[in-house]
Amino acid sequence: AQKVTQAQTEISVVEKEDVTLDCVYETRDTTYYLFWYKQPPSGELVFLIRRNSFDEQNEISGRYSWNFQKSTSSFNFTITASQVVDSAVYFCALSEPQGGSEKLVFGKGMKLTVNP
Amino acid sequence: DTEVTQTPKHLVMGMTNKKSLKCEQHMGHRAMYWYKQKAKKPPELMFVYSYEKLSINESVPSRFSPECPNSSLLNLHLHALQPEDSALYLCASRKGRNAYNEQFFGPGTRLTVL
Repeated sequence: AQKVTQAQTEISVVEKEDVTLDCVYETRDTTYYLFWYKQPPSGELVFLIRRNSFDEQNEISGRYSWNFQKSTSSFNFTITASQVVDSAVYFCALSEPQGGSEKLVFGKGMKLTVNP
Repeated sequence: DTEVTQTPKHLVMGMTNKKSLKCEQHMGHRAMYWYKQKAKKPPELMFVYSYEKLSINESVPSRFSPECPNSSLLNLHLHALQPEDSALYLCASRKGRNAYNEQFFGPGTRLTVL
């Protein structure tokens, strides 16, 4: 069965601190896709990144970076030099091609508050 | 246009009312979704339309009735709702059925049932 675990529920940091959001997943498939979404207070989920199971390269996009490790079934997300605008709920999600590819399995989400 | 729009933004309705939520996208996406999200919870899938046909109904009560009149439009008809149905209702679209494709979400309709 597919499962996504975000063990942290809330983190509060001061601006310019680095923060890492953890995501651990479970799946029986060898092919799968992992996503991170951001949900600011306005409500809309914003797609941040996708990673497929065959691509373990880490990725950096500006202040954001992602570390995907199949050996530990983790897909962690780091925000460097956090800003107040990063305050949001962040969801990690999993999608599989086999049986139910329409579905996204979400983690419970992690609320990040960045204080000035 | 990479946007999913939803109307209305807010809706307050009584338990005997009939109302509809509307979702629209013009990205040519052929999969569209309705999610329900309660406070401090992840989105919970309700319905999936694929090529204008209902492909998934996650055992949603019949007081919620989805409709996909065309490939750009998705409606959710509401009737005889309960106070526990108060939530944020999110619409999403995706290019196709491939698990690789990300979903694009609308801003949601915040529904309050009195």
